[in-house]
Amino acid sequence: DAGVIQSPRHEVTEMGQEVTLRCKPISGHNSLFWYRQTMMRGLELLIYFNNNVPIDDSGMPEDRFSAKMPNASFSTLKIQPSEPRDSAVYFCASSWLGGRGKETQYFGPGTRLLVL
Amino acid sequence: DAKTTQPPSMDCAEGRAANLPCNHSTISGNEYVYWYRQIHSQGPQYIIHGLKNNETNEMASLIITEDRKSSTLILPHATLRDTAVYYCIVRVSNTDKLIFGTGTRLQVFP
Repeated sequence: DAGVIQSPRHEVTEMGQEVTLRCKPISGHNSLFWYRQTMMRGLELLIYFNNNVPIDDSGMPEDRFSAKMPNASFSTLKIQPSEPRDSAVYFCASSWLGGRGKETQYFGPGTRLLVL
Repeated sequence: DAKTTQPPSMDCAEGRAANLPCNHSTISGNEYVYWYRQIHSQGPQYIIHGLKNNETNEMASLIITEDRKSSTLILPHATLRDTAVYYCIVRVSNTDKLIFGTGTRLQVFP
């Protein structure tokens, strides 16, 4: 398996523009997570899905952020409009939630976002 | 949610064992301890996890105290490639959430 795939790997945009980050989880996994990492705040969980359904979005910073998972093999994280403080590395991770409490999350390489 | 406490940084000589401590005094009986690491500019990488018993895999060993209030990650023969930030995480009960703290920055030197 190729692992978790994220695109783009780097994104530079101007304030006010819409940004869409994409993630393809590992085939067969049923949970997907979006994280954001900055120097100031470390690694934060934004939202996670189980069986394509959002389970916990309490980490989503504000209404400018939205995430979707239309099917088991694809998810997007959208920022509209983007602001300079959104600059960060955004990671996607996936896992198999089998109810046994031993699930392991596998992370993608991340998308490095810079908003000017 | 159980919180974890780790030293901010540690050094280790190449070839020696690296012992990374973690305190999780408020852990509940059904919460697992996970260890991940993050090498510069990469996504976090799973290392090992455990509940009560000590665990070992090809990467590391995990020693959990009998009262489960602390644990130690052991890299038996550290290499320069093990230089990374190591996160000790207590997985939130009945959820799939991992709450990352600030971790321990391990520097392996020649």
